[in-house]
Amino acid sequence: DAGVTQSPTHLIKTRGQQVTLRCSPKSGHDTVSWYQQALGQGPQFIFQYYEEEERQRGNFPDRFSGHQFPNYSSELNVNALLLGDSALYLCASSLQFAYTSYEQYFGPGTRLTVT
Amino acid sequence: LAKTTQPISMDSYEGQEVNITCSHNNIATNDYITWYQQFPSQGPRFIIQGYKTKVTNEVASLFIPADRKSSTLSLPRVSLSDTAVYYCLVGDREAGGSYIPTFGRGTSLIVHP
Repeated sequence: DAGVTQSPTHLIKTRGQQVTLRCSPKSGHDTVSWYQQALGQGPQFIFQYYEEEERQRGNFPDRFSGHQFPNYSSELNVNALLLGDSALYLCASSLQFAYTSYEQYFGPGTRLTVT
Repeated sequence: LAKTTQPISMDSYEGQEVNITCSHNNIATNDYITWYQQFPSQGPRFIIQGYKTKVTNEVASLFIPADRKSSTLSLPRVSLSDTAVYYCLVGDREAGGSYIPTFGRGTSLIVHP
């Protein structure tokens, strides 16, 4: 049973560029959430997708956008990259309406470095 | 206002039992308590969840007193591989059913030989 997968593993971009990160949820899961984790901090919630729509959003600017596809996979797009966007980006999947929805499965993350 | 408070760091030795206590004085009636474990450069891993009293699984136990204002994660007989950051979270499903884990800074546990 494949867990959550993310690509790429590492990425280096220049300020002002745009980046797209990808995530495939755990088999059977229908909800994908994205998190940003800076060094030494806990993960910060960006947004959550369910049924191809953004359902919840954290305190992140509109430069951060996403998409969910019919197969439940998801993309995170960040425009006009800033140095402060350098972080580990985590994708997590879950079941929307199950009791176990408190249990989120996280992927290994994508390490984004903005220079 | 932070929803949870936990020690920044803890040290232990192999074979010992480790108890990490989390304070959540403002926990709401419907909030659940969950704990995650995170190794460097990896995503967090769900450990356990509970609402009241005691919950046990193959990895850990979670003790929740009657007032639910705190909880204690208990790791039996830790090994070096338990060295990680442990996060305590409280929360409930939003209207519509989604649950958004809100992470603090966690407790960095170091297990010594």
